[in-house]
Amino acid sequence: GENVEQHPSTLSVQEGDSAVIKCTYSDSASNYFPWYKQELGKRPQLIIDIRSNVGEKKDQRIAVTLNKTAKHFSLHITETQPEDSAVYFCAASRGSNTGKLIFGQGTTLQVKP
Amino acid sequence: GAVVSQHPSWVICKSGTSVKIECRSLDFQATTMFWYRQFPKQSLMLMATSNEGSKATYEQGVEKDKFLINHASLTLSTLTVTSAHPEDSSFYICSALEGRSNEKLFFGSGTQLSVL
Repeated sequence: GENVEQHPSTLSVQEGDSAVIKCTYSDSASNYFPWYKQELGKRPQLIIDIRSNVGEKKDQRIAVTLNKTAKHFSLHITETQPEDSAVYFCAASRGSNTGKLIFGQGTTLQVKP
Repeated sequence: GAVVSQHPSWVICKSGTSVKIECRSLDFQATTMFWYRQFPKQSLMLMATSNEGSKATYEQGVEKDKFLINHASLTLSTLTVTSAHPEDSSFYICSALEGRSNEKLFFGSGTQLSVL
């Protein structure tokens, strides 16, 4: 079945360093790839997304890259800050249905001051 | 982004009772909403798709008679966990697609259900 693998499961960086989280997906029909940030006990917050017709997208300190041929996509956070500490989830749409998302296992990011 | 409201935020109930969770889109209409479930320290799993004016569609392995979904209006979907048991304890999160933002998925605030 459809699957999204996310690595690493935990990531610790020093404030100001960059953080990279990688995901691979199995459904070749997936065409929408969002990233969510979730703090403990709270809702997932959409931080950036990319569609399959684009290879890269950037929003201030956050960027996402997509390699559709290899079926993998990555989240890049530059100049990390302590408030970036949270659990990050990647997701891939089931086909073209952007509401039906298959989530990765999550990455707990810790940014040390 | 779009605002999706969910109520209650947490609920504790006795085993065997039913619990209703409401999900509202506050500033847009949502013909389709989605219900996800998240166990502690785990990922989100899609449970069902709620369709306004028609029956919900359930993911494989999700019991439709246990998780009743009603989408009676363009801004409200409800999930009722019937005859809840401790293994149903989880974080339930609704979500909706907001067309103005090019069909991005926004999540409600979630409901933490604890069944004793």
